Amino acid sequence: AQSVTQPDIHITVSEGASLELRCNYSYGATPYLFWYVQSPGQGLQLLLKYFSGDTLVQGIKGFEAEFKRSQSSFNLRKPSVHWSDAAEYFCAVGAYGNTGKLIFGQGTTLQVKP
Amino acid sequence: GAVVSQHPSWVICKSGTSVKIECRSLDFQATTMFWYRQFPKQSLMLMATSNEGSKATYEQGVEKDKFLINHASLTLSTLTVTSAHPEDSSFYICSARDRKGAYEQYFGPGTRLTVT
Repeated sequence: AQSVTQPDIHITVSEGASLELRCNYSYGATPYLFWYVQSPGQGLQLLLKYFSGDTLVQGIKGFEAEFKRSQSSFNLRKPSVHWSDAAEYFCAVGAYGNTGKLIFGQGTTLQVKP
Repeated sequence: GAVVSQHPSWVICKSGTSVKIECRSLDFQATTMFWYRQFPKQSLMLMATSNEGSKATYEQGVEKDKFLINHASLTLSTLTVTSAHPEDSSFYICSARDRKGAYEQYFGPGTRLTVT
C-alpha cells in the first residue's frame, strides 16, 4: 500500500540550531515529492519539490531536502532555524501517470525555543 | 502567480442547512482540482478529485450525496456540504493543478466550517 510516514510528530529545536525533519515513503511507482508548511488556520505553502534530476533540492526560506531512493526518504533540512519557522510541516508524495493525487504524511509540528 | 482562493474563509451554519465553499484559480486554468478535509492537529485527507466538465471522483468512505462537488469551469470548483451536522465541522482545503505544469498542486487558504 502507498504510504508516507513522518516519524516525528513533534520536534523542538532552539533558534539558530539545525533542523532535520524525516519523511519516508512507500510507493510502487516512481514518485515525485513535496514539502509543505502550514501555519495555524492557514493553507499550505510549498517549500520545495522533487520531480527528477539532482537529488538535493533547494527551496524557499533556506530549506533543502535530499531524495534518497535507496532509503525511500526525502528529509527536510535547514542549517539555522528561525523563530518564524515554527509551524506544521507536511511531506507529500505523488506518482507520475496517475490522477495527480497526493498522499500526505501525518505532519510534524516544529516548535522553536528562543 | 499560481494563486488559489477560497470563499468563504470561515462559515458558521446551523445543523441541517447546506453550505457552499468556492475554490478559484485566479491566474491559471485548472483542469483538476482537489478537495481535502483536515481535522485539528491532523493531516490532510483527500475527499475528491474534481475535473472540469465531468463528475468528481470521490475517495472511499466519502459520502457523495453529502459532499457535492461541481467543477463548472477551468477556474472554479465548488464543494457543497448538504444537511450539515456538527461532525462535518472541519477545515476544508482545495488545491488546483496547473494544466500547463507538471504535477504540482497549488493550495487555497482553507475554509473553516463550524456547524452548530
